[in-house]
Amino acid sequence: GQQLNQSPQSMFIQEGEDVSMNCTSSSIFNTWLWYKQDPGEGPVLLIALYKAGELTSNGRLTAQFGITRKDSFLNISASIPSDVGIYFCAGQNDYKLSFGAGTTVTVRA
Amino acid sequence: KAGVTQTPRYLIKTRGQQVTLSCSPISGHRSVSWYQQTPGQGLQFLFEYFSETQRNKGNFPGRFSGRQFSNSRSEMNVSTLELGDSALYLCASSTRTGRDTEAFFGQGTRLTVV
Repeated sequence: GQQLNQSPQSMFIQEGEDVSMNCTSSSIFNTWLWYKQDPGEGPVLLIALYKAGELTSNGRLTAQFGITRKDSFLNISASIPSDVGIYFCAGQNDYKLSFGAGTTVTVRA
Repeated sequence: KAGVTQTPRYLIKTRGQQVTLSCSPISGHRSVSWYQQTPGQGLQFLFEYFSETQRNKGNFPGRFSGRQFSNSRSEMNVSTLELGDSALYLCASSTRTGRDTEAFFGQGTRLTVV
């Protein structure tokens, strides 16, 4: 399927910092989803976005569906140690998900 | 409410063998999709089943097949295993109400081909 361009590839963050990651695509998607995956586990859904321009929050997480429907970003505010993991963006059309390569987040205590 | 359940969690097979993986979706979810995750290729879509019919298919060889039962449980089969089939196989379930909805993943089956 189509691959999304997700950046940054990795980041080291200080506890308490706000961080951002984003995804872009050459294709339009009906839905954007953000997942977090811990080692050896399946991806866990964080946020789902359904409308262009939509801004949605889930606790310390905020994500937006780009106006062009070709991009999305995820913000994490006030990072804590349990935010460590790999974050994936996914664009969805007709129940098929296309994933970014992931952003690996490591928190410096 | 129970989540998506995949069995087994780990599997070791020899080249040339075949393998069957199982996925039980969240209760009430009738769509099941399968994904392959490898370090080199990332997460890639295999296929989606709804109402016991394959609705969508990714770019994988015919050795990869699946089916869905009337209770929405799904199985994925890989025949004539190759070393490159070693991967984490994930299934996701969703409600499929007519528009794209959230997909929830299981813990995956780690397949190692030796």
